[in-house]
Amino acid sequence: NFMLTQPHSVSASPGKTVTISCTGSGGTIGSDSVQWFQQRPGSAPTTVIYEDDQRPSGVPDRFSGSIDTSSNSASLTISGLKAEDEADYYCQSYDRVNVIFGGGTKLTVL
Amino acid sequence: EVQLLESGGGLIQPGGSLRLACSASGFPFSSYALHWVRQAPGKGLEWVSAIIGSGGSTYYPDPLKGRFTISRDNSKKTVYLQMHSLRAEDTAVYYCAKGRGYFNDGFDIWGQGTMVTVSS
Repeated sequence: NFMLTQPHSVSASPGKTVTISCTGSGGTIGSDSVQWFQQRPGSAPTTVIYEDDQRPSGVPDRFSGSIDTSSNSASLTISGLKAEDEADYYCQSYDRVNVIFGGGTKLTVL
Repeated sequence: EVQLLESGGGLIQPGGSLRLACSASGFPFSSYALHWVRQAPGKGLEWVSAIIGSGGSTYYPDPLKGRFTISRDNSKKTVYLQMHSLRAEDTAVYYCAKGRGYFNDGFDIWGQGTMVTVSS
């Protein structure tokens, strides 16, 4: 079965750049699109990246997504970190007719 | 403005049944897949079910097949999740999420969620 593994937590200071990884196992991460969701404490998730690297309208260009087929992983990069970016981040993809979520990464802005 | 509003959550005893609803507005409802995603307290996101725009195909993860049923009424712009034989481990916030098109085109808009608590 296809699984997505994320680091439990990452941290960085305001203004810095942070990258959150999402590593696939039991399948190829590039065979279906990858999405990224942000979930602030006490709130519903929101989509920050869809189709690997596309930003919905309203999401700042500080957020970017990429796929690295050599490492079977996807990445979410947030540059110019702000306090408001502190949240849980989830990657998501598909395994045939199943929707697969990564376990989530807690981003702390120091 | 695209909006999704879930309802129907509450406290239910183990073994009971519950039907959740997600009412939509602001987009051509029958053109998009809808998903249910849940989140147990302090845990991550777990996909529960999906239904394509026409209602002609539905999808479930293997562990939930047979207990949960998704359906939609395009005339009412509402998607439903019927849950049976509820267990303590079904306790979670249940979110409705709009697909970007077909089943595997990603999500864009999420509702605010409805809490389901399974307890005696």
